[in-house]
Amino acid sequence: TQLLEQSPQFLSIQEGENLTVYCNSSSVFSSLQWYRQEPGEGPVLLVTVVTGGEVKKLKRLTFQFGDARKDSSLHITAAQPGDTGLYLCAGNPQTGANNLFFGTGTRLTVIP
Amino acid sequence: DAMVIQNPRYQVTQFGKPVTLSCSQTLNHNVMYWYQQKSSQAPKLLFHYYDKDFNNEADTPDNFQSRRPNTSFCFLDIRSPGLGDAAMYLCATSRRVSYNEQFFGPGTRLTVL
Repeated sequence: TQLLEQSPQFLSIQEGENLTVYCNSSSVFSSLQWYRQEPGEGPVLLVTVVTGGEVKKLKRLTFQFGDARKDSSLHITAAQPGDTGLYLCAGNPQTGANNLFFGTGTRLTVIP
Repeated sequence: DAMVIQNPRYQVTQFGKPVTLSCSQTLNHNVMYWYQQKSSQAPKLLFHYYDKDFNNEADTPDNFQSRRPNTSFCFLDIRSPGLGDAAMYLCATSRRVSYNEQFFGPGTRLTVL
């Protein structure tokens, strides 16, 4: 059973378009992180959200944590080719499990 | 800059020949993790160390072992690599286990011939 489901799994868009990636679960998370991973490299932490309803912005990226802390979204405005990569959400369940659970991943390709 | 370093970046080994991957960190974090990542999949946790305490995931094969001789270094030993063990191996660190923002190294891509 996958704790965190991401959608879409694959996304290919033109430069300048907007997009949203979703990360959903039936479990409550005490915190949730978003990472971006480029081919041949390790994941790079983009943001951590902690409070239900929290919104954080990182340049053209907007991250939102659901009110119930069960889901999150990543919105990219005016996508650039440099945004291409594998986007992973990951969270700490509130059940007390110590490990970070990763989502299924969204592979984004931005075409120039 | 503080960082997580993995060596080598690329490792080729033969079927059944033991191999060791290394990870070092300058972040002085308490926790170090080893993940296995296969193509287009999310990283899969193998085990982690909280200081010197070793925590193995239930589904990690016995073929995979780890050592952490000090805070800065952690090793992944694959005793008898099989073809199915070819993957990217990622090392990560965090300050503590709960509410853990993890910082990843660049990974070691293992090829098994």
